[in-house]
Amino acid sequence: GNSVTQMEGPVTLSEEAFLTINCTYTATGYPSLFWYVQYPGEGLQLLLKATKADDKGSNKGFEATYRKETTSFHLEKGSVQVSDSAVYFCALKNRGSTLGRLYFGRGTQLTVWP
Amino acid sequence: DTGVSQDPRHKITKRGQNVTFRCDPISEHNRLYWYRQTLGQGPEFLTYFQNEAQLEKSRLLSDRFSAERPKGSFSTLEIQRTEQGDSAMYLCASSLGQTDSTDTQYFGPGTRLTVL
Repeated sequence: GNSVTQMEGPVTLSEEAFLTINCTYTATGYPSLFWYVQYPGEGLQLLLKATKADDKGSNKGFEATYRKETTSFHLEKGSVQVSDSAVYFCALKNRGSTLGRLYFGRGTQLTVWP
Repeated sequence: DTGVSQDPRHKITKRGQNVTFRCDPISEHNRLYWYRQTLGQGPEFLTYFQNEAQLEKSRLLSDRFSAERPKGSFSTLEIQRTEQGDSAMYLCASSLGQTDSTDTQYFGPGTRLTVL
């Protein structure tokens, strides 16, 4: 089946610290992979995506590389800011499927202190 | 830029009552999705429309749930005889419906349902 496993939160960091949020997946096909972010009181926003193996998605200083050999899509940022405090969701969508549904992980709460 | 909008943002109801939520997708997006998110969990897929056709329903969508998208634009999600277990955030998303590898879903702010 299709599933996404994210590292348990919450994650608490000081400003300018390095961030890694681990994400691994199981998929029946060759999925596209996504990171969504949910800021307090707001809806889910697409942060970045990668559609094939070895692709690197990047946005707002965040990066994630699609690793087929380890079935992973870990999110990284070199220097976090207080404004990065949010819940981060890893998700997959199977390519070749006409259905288009997203499968989400449970989310990782990130809190950044000044 | 008008994103996905949902109405109402919050709904409090008593057990046994019916509720209806509305979602307005981004214009010219022909795919529309409903998800449910409970506290501490990621969103779970409920159902999906391609234009006005409902193409898939999750097993999470019991007989008390019904969704429509009558003209291929806005969609409604109705829950009949609500139960406390229905308390959740109901999310709507839309996408252009391009080839799967590039199709990106954009989410609305959600409707938070509380069943007393």
